[in-house]
Amino acid sequence: DTEVTQTPKHLVMGMTNKKSLKCEQHMGHRAMYWYKQKAKKPPELMFVYSYEKLSINESVPSRFSPECPNSSLLNLHLHALQPEDSALYLCASSHHTGNSPLHFGNGTRLTVT
Amino acid sequence: DAKTTQPNSMESNEEEPVHLPCNHSTISGTDYIHWYRQLPSQGPEYVIHGLTSNVNNRMASLAIAEDRKSSTLILHRATLRDAAVYYCILRTSGSRLTFGEGTQLTVNP
Repeated sequence: DTEVTQTPKHLVMGMTNKKSLKCEQHMGHRAMYWYKQKAKKPPELMFVYSYEKLSINESVPSRFSPECPNSSLLNLHLHALQPEDSALYLCASSHHTGNSPLHFGNGTRLTVT
Repeated sequence: DAKTTQPNSMESNEEEPVHLPCNHSTISGTDYIHWYRQLPSQGPEYVIHGLTSNVNNRMASLAIAEDRKSSTLILHRATLRDAAVYYCILRTSGSRLTFGEGTQLTVNP
């Protein structure tokens, strides 16, 4: 079990669908992150939120739209995805964006058909 | 970001110590050395981090060379549950946590 909860665990969506991934933590962390991980590869950073404001966008295509409605929640809205976007999407949180360790969820396995 | 070099894979036997090496010859003075691991079908898990001195916690020990150009993660008694990909990452305070390829550790019963 982790203290970062991601839902759903698995998601299959068509290229014309709109869906959202959700992430929740109740550790009082003020930094939250989205990473993408392809099979047998290391995680790649997508977005960083610090105090509910987007601080880093790693040139992610606009079909991925992050949202941080409050300090405990992080969403990733998806639309018009491509099959190559199929991956494990990992959420993480940390006390702040300094050197504090990141706590990861177990991810959402996304398949785009 | 400064780069780290790790072996692609290592093997160990259960209940024996494991030393996982990491080279980081271009480390800067403000880079902390972080270790994370990722068990199968799970998200990465923080293991330990340090700057200059050796560090110990309940999971592992981190030995840092005097010139800081290399470090070693030490698992004192490997268990089957320690089989994972271990990532050595350099991180300056406030910077991105950027993963390299890591070392796949296999633990033999």
